[in-house]
Amino acid sequence: DQQVKQNSPSLSVQEGRISILNCDYTNSMFDYFLWYKKYPAEGPTFLISISSIKDKNEDGRFTVFLNKSAKHLSLHIVPSQPGDSAVYFCAASDQGSSNTGKLIFGQGTTLQVKP
Amino acid sequence: AAGVIQSPRHLIKEKRETATLKCYPIPRHDTVYWYQQGPGQDPQFLISFYEKMQSDKGSIPDRFSAQQFSDYHSELNMSSLELGDSALYFCASSDRGRGEKLFFGSGTQLSVL
Repeated sequence: DQQVKQNSPSLSVQEGRISILNCDYTNSMFDYFLWYKKYPAEGPTFLISISSIKDKNEDGRFTVFLNKSAKHLSLHIVPSQPGDSAVYFCAASDQGSSNTGKLIFGQGTTLQVKP
Repeated sequence: AAGVIQSPRHLIKEKRETATLKCYPIPRHDTVYWYQQGPGQDPQFLISFYEKMQSDKGSIPDRFSAQQFSDYHSELNMSSLELGDSALYFCASSDRGRGEKLFFGSGTQLSVL
């Protein structure tokens, strides 16, 4: 039972353009969402997060949008740079009820930004 | 800044052997999480510890056990290793009291031959 889904295994964009990575979730108890970036042979690195009380959070070139009614979130990278090429994981947690901090991950999307 | 330290980085074992993975969390972090990532898969939550007590349990096999010590480092013990245990094992830590995000180590690549 995949509670967090990233339906696009890969995405290729041109340098300078916008990258949009999508994520869907099924558990309505999730109230905190994060995006992690992962390079080969390294651990996931935190990128940006959003609480369910917000619908948008921005940090430099990275913006995360949350649509709670659709149980959907997306990560926008503008402008995309070759150094952004990595695997991006969407993750979610239920901080409200259990508050164990455990994250549930999606399958990941491999982003390739071409020069 | 100090990060999460995992050792060893790579480990090769044979079937039915045992393995011990170590994790040193970021100083003053009170929670440690273990994740298993198989080839081409998403990280799967195994187990977590908060203030040295087991906090949550995921899809951890009975052959595996883990604990968090008084200095907050954690060890994942794996016995009767199977080929399917070959994976990347990540440890993460957080300051759960502040509701902070998880910081991950670089992982231990376990290969069972």
